[in-house]
Amino acid sequence: DIQMTQSPSTLSASVGDRVTISCRASQPIGSWLAWYQQLPGKAPKLLISKAFDLESGVPSRFSGSGSGTEFTLTISGLHPDDFATYYCQQYQDYWRTFGQGTKVEVK
Amino acid sequence: QLRLQESGPGLVKPSETLSLTCSVSGGSVGDYYCNWIRQTAGGGLEWIGRIYSSANINFNPSLKSRVRMSVDMSKNQFSLDLASVTAADTAVYYCSTDSKWFGYFDSWGPGTLVTVSS
Repeated sequence: DIQMTQSPSTLSASVGDRVTISCRASQPIGSWLAWYQQLPGKAPKLLISKAFDLESGVPSRFSGSGSGTEFTLTISGLHPDDFATYYCQQYQDYWRTFGQGTKVEVK
Repeated sequence: QLRLQESGPGLVKPSETLSLTCSVSGGSVGDYYCNWIRQTAGGGLEWIGRIYSSANINFNPSLKSRVRMSVDMSKNQFSLDLASVTAADTAVYYCSTDSKWFGYFDSWGPGTLVTVSS
């Protein structure tokens, strides 16, 4: 299976901050990467597919970049609604795998 | 807009079979890859498998020997059976669809907690 590793595991930030979350794949996955946001007690919500394609309705402060094995999710100007856990997921291999998650908490 | 809803027992005894159903509304179950994903208390997300019609099924290799999936077009539902459960199978189980057939999950049910305990 393709291992996905996110860093950091926890990130403390304030409203208005620029936040960057990293995701590394154990082998090249092209741009076959998705990002999800999970609020407490809720199901994950798709934010980005194909490494950088923003889903309809997702605020433009969210952006994704990268290819191969290194990927980044950036939130430009953290909103109160953005305090959540974020997961990356690869779909290059039919055995879909997720990163362990990055929790963005209030500083 | 597609809506998904999981249903099934919240408590299953060790060694028994966990059975869940996902009801789909706002679209036809036959148009999507239908997935099951679970999340343990530690937060980790694990893909269990996917089904498209009854002839196109892929499973997580680590669970393959215990998993069975099916689709009921007449009820617009798809189902998961996980056999020989242990405490390690305690998790929130989500059903999810992949409407673009690429491999990511664009619609999710709210999830259902299944606890394995005697």
